[in-house]
Amino acid sequence: GAGVSQSPSNKVTEKGKDVELRCDPISGHTALYWYRQRLGQGLEFLIYFQGNSAPDKSGLPSDRFSAERTGESVSTLTIQRTQQEDSAVYLCASSPRTSGRVDTQYFGPGTRLTVL
Amino acid sequence: AQSVTQLGSHVSVSEGALVLLRCNYSSSVPPYLFWYVQYPNQGLQLLLKYTSAATLVKGINGFEAEFKKSETSFHLTKPSAHMSDAAEYFCAVSGIGNTPLVFGKGTRLSVIA
Repeated sequence: GAGVSQSPSNKVTEKGKDVELRCDPISGHTALYWYRQRLGQGLEFLIYFQGNSAPDKSGLPSDRFSAERTGESVSTLTIQRTQQEDSAVYLCASSPRTSGRVDTQYFGPGTRLTVL
Repeated sequence: AQSVTQLGSHVSVSEGALVLLRCNYSSSVPPYLFWYVQYPNQGLQLLLKYTSAATLVKGINGFEAEFKKSETSFHLTKPSAHMSDAAEYFCAVSGIGNTPLVFGKGTRLSVIA
């Protein structure tokens, strides 16, 4: 079946502009995650959605970052007033919900954001 | 709190040689451990995961990892490196359930012909 998809694959923007990144999870997956991968760094957790529960926003680096998810489908990560330090690859992952177990997170190919 | 340390940001091996990528973790709860591989310009792909069933875990592409609680380690090995193994490898830890993963900084593996 189809995997996690993300769009756009690349985004170049000017400092101060707003950007929106999209993630389409695997159908039926209730959990959705956003991570950021800066050059030479590991992946940093940003935000996590689980079904209809309130999202875990503990990883968002500033109030310029926000994310929404429509039901158990598409998610959009928005970065307002972009800064050069926001340049990174933004990865989305989804996983099924299996109570009491540890499910695999399936990753999309990422969106490479460059802020000039 | 959980954390992961990957020793060596870059490892280079000859084709056919043993691959050993090191991962140490810190966790205040029983850990669940993962190895992911990232090929150039691609997303992360799961190699294997430890979920407390067996301490020696076998994954795809001939990789395996052994969970050693006493050493808080989860090193990744492969007996014989292949050119196609050249990639970035990430170790990650999580708690039970669909909690976010905490990743190490990654180890880039180069395979020399």
